[in-house]
Amino acid sequence: EAGVAQSPRYKIIEKRQSVAFWCNPISGHATLYWYQQILGQGPKLLIQFQNNGVVDDSQLPKDRFSAERLKGVDSTLKIQPAKLEDSAVYLCASGRRGGDTDTQYFGPGTRLTVL
Amino acid sequence: AQTVTQSQPEMSVQEAETVTLSCTYDTSESDYYLFWYKQPPSRQMILVIRQEAYKQQNATENRFSVNFQKAAKSFSLKISDSQLGDAAMYFCAYSLTQGGSEKLVFGKGTKLTVNP
Repeated sequence: EAGVAQSPRYKIIEKRQSVAFWCNPISGHATLYWYQQILGQGPKLLIQFQNNGVVDDSQLPKDRFSAERLKGVDSTLKIQPAKLEDSAVYLCASGRRGGDTDTQYFGPGTRLTVL
Repeated sequence: AQTVTQSQPEMSVQEAETVTLSCTYDTSESDYYLFWYKQPPSRQMILVIRQEAYKQQNATENRFSVNFQKAAKSFSLKISDSQLGDAAMYFCAYSLTQGGSEKLVFGKGTKLTVNP
């Protein structure tokens, strides 16, 4: 089966500009996650979708970050305006519940550099 | 708050030898899941192995096995017969369920180098 797809792979922007990332999950996966991975750290969850509804966005900086999942499939994550500290890799994962937990499969990520 | 600690920022191993990566976690829950993910330089995070806390038997996947010590809240990963392709960042993660949401809490990772 095809894996999680993300684009673009790399993005360089100036601070205060806007940027958007796209994610296409594995077919049939109901859950979708966006993570932020700052250099030298493990990924941190930003937002979780179940189908097209938000389950958890408690760690999403809502003053500048937004995300949506149209028709329960593809998702976009937007940053507006970007700050220097947003430089990170943004990982998308989709989940297939097996038993009592949701095993997550990750995409290749988008590396964002904010200058 | 649930936390995951990987105390070894870097490890190295000779090809064909065995290496163990350490992970400890903090939780007040009794039922949970633990994972090891591998992230090669290309950044694609790959699931290596998972462990259900209610199972006493340690999970194994080919050359990868875990030593799960629930009382000590320890979850180490053993890689046997190390191969060059095993070189990567390894992340230990704890699955946290809160209010209907389920998220992974990651450690900071261990960079594994495999020497030929």
